[in-house]
Amino acid sequence: GAGVSQSPSNKVTEKGKDVELRCDPISGHTALYWYRQRLGQGLEFLIYFQGNSAPDKSGLPSDRFSAERTGESVSTLTIQRTQQEDSAVYLCASSLTGGRPDTQYFGPGTRLTVL
Amino acid sequence: GENVEQHPSTLSVQEGDSAVIKCTYSDSASNYFPWYKQELGKGPQLIIDIRSNVGEKKDQRIAVTLNKTAKHFSLHITETQPEDSAVYFCAARVPLQKLVFGTGTRLLVSP
Repeated sequence: GAGVSQSPSNKVTEKGKDVELRCDPISGHTALYWYRQRLGQGLEFLIYFQGNSAPDKSGLPSDRFSAERTGESVSTLTIQRTQQEDSAVYLCASSLTGGRPDTQYFGPGTRLTVL
Repeated sequence: GENVEQHPSTLSVQEGDSAVIKCTYSDSASNYFPWYKQELGKGPQLIIDIRSNVGEKKDQRIAVTLNKTAKHFSLHITETQPEDSAVYFCAARVPLQKLVFGTGTRLLVSP
């Protein structure tokens, strides 16, 4: 079946502009996660959704970052007034329940470059 | 909170050799330990996982071992092939908390 999809695959923007990144989870998955991966580094947790609520948003680096999710479907990560340090690959993952140790399936990521 | 350390950061082996990647975790309450493989330009993909009630798990050429007393777990790849070349991430999770990832190991398998 279809996996996690993300769009766009690449985004180049100018410093100060706002960007929206989209994630379509696997159908039926109630849990959704956003991560940031800087070049050559590990995965940095940003936010976790269970359904359309976000019980853990502790990883959002600043108030310029926000995310929302529509029901148990698509999620959008928004970065306002982008800075060069926001350049990274943004990965989305989904899992069936989120409440038990269940597998997180990752999308291919969106590579964001802030000039 | 949980902290995961991963070693080595890079690992080069010859085709056919074995590769071992090690991770340690800090929170003894962690009970789930997945390993992900990330190929260039792609998202991480789960290759194997282990839960804290199991000491070892194998899947063909891949195995993971867990030592709860020492709080470390390892990934073993036998008979390595060039297509095993990728970045490997370990992770640990305390129940009801987020998955915490290691910093990754870049594995290069030379023909």
